Amino acid sequence: NAGVTQTPKFRVLKTGQSMTLLCAQDMNHEYMYWYRQDPGMGLRLIHYSVGEGTTAKGEVPDGYNVSRLKKQNFLLGLESAAPSQTSVYFCASSYADRGLDGYTFGSGTRLTVV
Amino acid sequence: DQQVKQNSPSLSVQEGRISILNCDYTNSMFDYFLWYKKYPAEGPTFLISISSIKDKNEDGRFTVFLNKSAKHLSLHIVPSQPGDSAVYFCAASKWTARQLTFGSGTQLTVLP
Repeated sequence: NAGVTQTPKFRVLKTGQSMTLLCAQDMNHEYMYWYRQDPGMGLRLIHYSVGEGTTAKGEVPDGYNVSRLKKQNFLLGLESAAPSQTSVYFCASSYADRGLDGYTFGSGTRLTVV
Repeated sequence: DQQVKQNSPSLSVQEGRISILNCDYTNSMFDYFLWYKKYPAEGPTFLISISSIKDKNEDGRFTVFLNKSAKHLSLHIVPSQPGDSAVYFCAASKWTARQLTFGSGTQLTVLP
């Protein structure tokens, strides 16, 4: 039972480059989330999805796009990376109809934009 | 404007003693509160939660207290163990919103 898997684990990008972070979950969770973690800021919600084919903006969505074409996958895209997007990115998933205790996080992607 | 605040970035405690981690929130719509624990190079893992209809929830060595009038919650770990050394995040949500708002975290170090 893999839970939530994020790829890649590390990446260095040059300013202006694009990339996609992949999140995959095998728990049949309806909801999926992308967070970023920055020193002194905690985890901030970027985008989330309440089901296949749906996405919504979180607290800090600018500069990111997402897609959820399949229930088990949630993609986070950076079209033109900026140094301010240097962060650790966490994906999470949860059931729609159970307690909030059920958030499961991936192990994170450390992204550096130079 | 941070809606969930953890004002202590770090805390050191002797093994066997009590660890108390604090969290304040400003949004009165929050009605569910959680604590997550995070080790380096891992994602956060759920530790304990409390609904706004309660003022205390206990799970083994971990107890969470909620003071709604003060908009304050705390996590007590008794007795503290070296394996408890981690970053602890407080999180809050409105139950129907199903989105967690996190604090900035507190690094707990339990000294042997």
